[in-house]
Amino acid sequence: DAKTTQPTSMDCAEGRAANLPCNHSTISGNEYVYWYRQIHSQGPQYIIHGLKNNETNEMASLIITEDRKSSTLILPHATLRDTAVYYCIVRDYGGATNKLIFGTGTLLAVQP
Amino acid sequence: DGGITQSPKYLFRKEGQNVTLSCEQNLNHDAMYWYRQDPGQGLRLIYYSQIVNDFQKGDIAEGYSVSREKKESFPLTVTSAQKNPTAFYLCASRTGRLNTEAFFGQGTRLTVV
Repeated sequence: DAKTTQPTSMDCAEGRAANLPCNHSTISGNEYVYWYRQIHSQGPQYIIHGLKNNETNEMASLIITEDRKSSTLILPHATLRDTAVYYCIVRDYGGATNKLIFGTGTLLAVQP
Repeated sequence: DGGITQSPKYLFRKEGQNVTLSCEQNLNHDAMYWYRQDPGQGLRLIYYSQIVNDFQKGDIAEGYSVSREKKESFPLTVTSAQKNPTAFYLCASRTGRLNTEAFFGQGTRLTVV
């Protein structure tokens, strides 16, 4: 299974950019990197995903290194409402299944 | 509006009783998933289904059972064999296509006393 490694927690000042790193050194060629976030006691919310090119949407930007072994999620102007656990996951194609394997994520605390 | 619905939001049961958690989606998604989340931890996969009448065990299937008789529904039964059933349970669905995201319900918090 392709695994991801994320820091346990990070702080960010309100209004500043939040940069959340993720290592996925065992990612294979056709696997996508997905980011979700979970606000306390709610279901996770999809943020963005990518394969090899950088991606941007209304919520965030995703930067994937050229070797695809790591990525960074960027929230350009963090607000207090962005305080959540952020999960980086890699699509698991083991056994031709569609398992979604989550790690422990990064708790982002946006400070006023 | 399309979405995925879990009910109830809070559920209390006595130890030794089986309990079934509901998950319904009207997104026409093929794949559905059940996760368990314990305080301060990530999501662990219990069961998943890629198509009607078919499902596979995830990483922590012991003490749980599922069915997938309809595309829209993927109920999870927490049996008395599950040693630590108190947890937050999350259901998700997605299309069967490769490059698509999953949609999550709002979860059911099960407390067994």
